[in-house]
Parts: sequence; structure tokens; C-alpha cells
Amino acid sequence: EAHLVQSGGGLVQPAGSLRLSCAASGFSFSSYEMNWVRQAPGKGLEWVSYISKGGITTYYADSVKGRFTISRDDAKNSLYLQMNSLRAEDTAVYYCVRLQGGVPNRRFDYWGQGTLVTVSS
Amino acid sequence: DIQMTQSPSSLSASVGDRVTITCRASQDITNAVAWYQQKPGKVPKVLLYAASRLESGVPSRFGGSGSGTDYTLTINGLQPEDFATYYCQQLQVYPTWTFGQGTKVEI
Repeated sequence: EAHLVQSGGGLVQPAGSLRLSCAASGFSFSSYEMNWVRQAPGKGLEWVSYISKGGITTYYADSVKGRFTISRDDAKNSLYLQMNSLRAEDTAVYYCVRLQGGVPNRRFDYWGQGTLVTVSS
Repeated sequence: DIQMTQSPSSLSASVGDRVTITCRASQDITNAVAWYQQKPGKVPKVLLYAASRLESGVPSRFGGSGSGTDYTLTINGLQPEDFATYYCQQLQVYPTWTFGQGTKVEI
């Protein structure tokens, strides 16, 4: 069975940086498109970023564009999210998520355990 | 970007009830809709995809329907473990996968 184990996160000051990691196991990581999704405290789910197989194509939500960078290392079966210029509104639980299927069968079928990022002075 | 308007934002129901949650997309998303369940403090879990296809292992009391811009999640015979928050998500527009605002199902 697929597993996504996240690390990183924690408390960071405004304008600071943080890097999240996600280690995949139990499936062929290089064969899947991956995403980051976040959830602010008491709020709903927000898609943050996408990376294609091979890492050629990346996309970002407008709210993080220019500040966050998604990347992957298929040799290490790992996904990353580099977060710079962090703001209070970036405070959230961040999830590493696998995308399964093609249109119209796409869904986020495996989720990491989530890691809390708190931006505060 | 496609907007997903989910309703209601919350509802009260009893064990055994039939519950319906709707999602309206701002444009035709040709059945590329998934539904998720999230319990407090837990990771979201996919229930349905392609509007009506049940994810493996999900009980058959969960069902989905719809087309075009309007989609529905139905729970037939609500069980105690179904009290949670439910989210719809469009996966038609690549790759800004918009979620609905969520529906909290309470006792």
C-alpha cells in the first residue's frame, strides 16, 4: 500500500523560510503527479501546488505564486515544498497528496499525515 | 478559475437518515468531480470520483450523481461514523483543483 510520510514544518517568523518534505513508499513514485494541499485552522481545503511526472511542469495557486517552489527527487522517492517569504496567512496544515487517474477519473487518493506550519512572531 | 459552490455549509441529521450535499461549478466540468470525507484531526479520504464512481473500500451507502455544473453526494442510511465534513473537488481544469467550502454533517 502507498504511504506518504511528511517532515519539516514548525514555527517560523513572518518573512522566514521553511522546507517541507514528503517521502513516498509502496508505489512507483516517479509514475505519479503530486500535489501539496493546505488547510488553515478551522478552514477548508486549498490546493497549493502541482508537479508533473519527471518534474517538468509545475503550477501554483495564486496565493503562493512566486514564494513557494515545488520539486521532486525521483531517485529518493521524495517530494518537497520550499516556502519563502512566509506570511501569517500561510499558517496551515500542509498535506502531500498523490494524484490518481486521468480525466474524468482523477482524484487525490493518498494523503500524507499533514504537517503544521505556523507563521508568527 | 473554476469556483465550486457547496451547500449547505452544515446540516443536522440522525442515524438512518438520507443526506444530500450539492456542489455547483462555475462552468461545465464534465463529471470530473471527487468527494472527500474528513473527520476532526484526520486526513481527508476520497469517497467518490468521476462524479459517481466509488473508491475501493468505500461503503455502498455513499453515492454520487450529476452532470455539467451540478453534482450531488448522497448518503443513504447515515451511520454514526459518517458524521464528518465533506468536500467536493473539481479536477477538470488542469491543474488548479478547486475544492468546495465543505459541509459539516452533525448529529
